[in-house]
Amino acid sequence: SQKIEQNSEALNIQEGKTATLTCNYTNYSPAYLQWYRQDPGRGPVFLLLIRENEKEKRKERLKVTFDTTLKQSLFHITASQPADSATYLCALGGSYIPTFGRGTSLIVHP
Amino acid sequence: SQTIHQWPATLVQPVGSPLSLECTVEGTSNPNLYWYRQAAGRGLQLLFYSVGIGQISSEVPQNLSASRPQDRQFILSSKKLLLSDSGFYLCAWDRLGTSGNTIYFGEGSWLTVV
Repeated sequence: SQKIEQNSEALNIQEGKTATLTCNYTNYSPAYLQWYRQDPGRGPVFLLLIRENEKEKRKERLKVTFDTTLKQSLFHITASQPADSATYLCALGGSYIPTFGRGTSLIVHP
Repeated sequence: SQTIHQWPATLVQPVGSPLSLECTVEGTSNPNLYWYRQAAGRGLQLLFYSVGIGQISSEVPQNLSASRPQDRQFILSSKKLLLSDSGFYLCAWDRLGTSGNTIYFGEGSWLTVV
């Protein structure tokens, strides 16, 4: 069956460190992968998209990698800040409606 | 620019009562429209999507229904709510472009069925 797996346990890190979140998938062949941020009680907000033929994408302090062989994407936030605390969701897309993972909560401690 | 409005933001409804959540999108035409539900601690569950007026696809069989009476209006309804219908409901839209299906979400509606 198709699965998108994100770590269900919250990731706790200290301010200034790099946060790394993982998205693994099985039985999908996505044309692209997206990352969204969701704050409590709010709708998710799009952050980054990376295509299957791209290895890495950067946007300010954010970096996403996409390994179609490992079927994995890593999402990095460098120089993390308490304001980065939120839940981060990955979504797979292609010729079908984007499908979301459950998300991983990130908590950045001052 | 495009905006999406969803209301009401919060509602508490008794079991067996009807439901109507409304969503409108501005600044675009012929969007794909979606209703998602997010239960506490759970992921996003796609309930319905629509590619055009009157065209509704249901992903999960349940006592909810959706309608799209106008191009940029999407309504989620129920005739009789169940306790299990409680959750955070999100309307969303996208429009396939060169960037892929980036989905834009509304602010959500918190539904508590008591």
